[in-house]
Amino acid sequence: DQQVKQNSPSLSVQEGRISILNCDYTNSMFDYFLWYKKYPAEGPTFLISISSIKDKNEDGRFTVFLNKSAKHLSLHIVPSQPGDSAVYFCAASAGYNDMRFGAGTRLTVKP
Amino acid sequence: EAGVAQSPRYKIIEKRQSVAFWCNPISGHATLYWYQQILGQGPKLLIQFQNNGVVDDSQLPKDRFSAERLKGVDSTLKIQPAKLEDSAVYLCASSFGDGLTNYGYTFGSGTRLTVV
Repeated sequence: DQQVKQNSPSLSVQEGRISILNCDYTNSMFDYFLWYKKYPAEGPTFLISISSIKDKNEDGRFTVFLNKSAKHLSLHIVPSQPGDSAVYFCAASAGYNDMRFGAGTRLTVKP
Repeated sequence: EAGVAQSPRYKIIEKRQSVAFWCNPISGHATLYWYQQILGQGPKLLIQFQNNGVVDDSQLPKDRFSAERLKGVDSTLKIQPAKLEDSAVYLCASSFGDGLTNYGYTFGSGTRLTVV
């Protein structure tokens, strides 16, 4: 069962522009959402998170937005940099157990 | 702070052989996870330990997969016998996991298993 979905397998943006990565979920019990970034041959690294009591969380160039009614979250990267090129995974959990991951979106930032 | 250590980095075996992966979590992290990531998919949880006890192994194919975490620190994941569809990256992750707050997981670099 795919409870977390990232429908765009890839995204390409120009350096300096905004990157928007989207994620949808189906389980209304999820109350914590995270984004992970993964470079080739490395494990995923934690990027930013948001709890269900908030609708926005910002950390530098990265902002995550949560729309609970639509069961949708998005990651905005502004401005995008070539070093941001990686695979981004959306993840969700109910409590702190059993985190479910989406299939990932490969972001390419072109100089 | 040292990260999550995994070995080996790569392993190629023939189907029906057995294989074992090792993970050393971040010191002090009580919770340890094993994930399987098949090419083109997101990581899928296989088993979760809290100290040396199993919290969730509902998605572990128990007829061929086994895992242990002796003394609540290092963990090993074993596959016996391996099938072609077991080809994947096996990720170990750990978290502080105090049961109250989700601090996010720290992942190791993974072991890439190829079954031929």
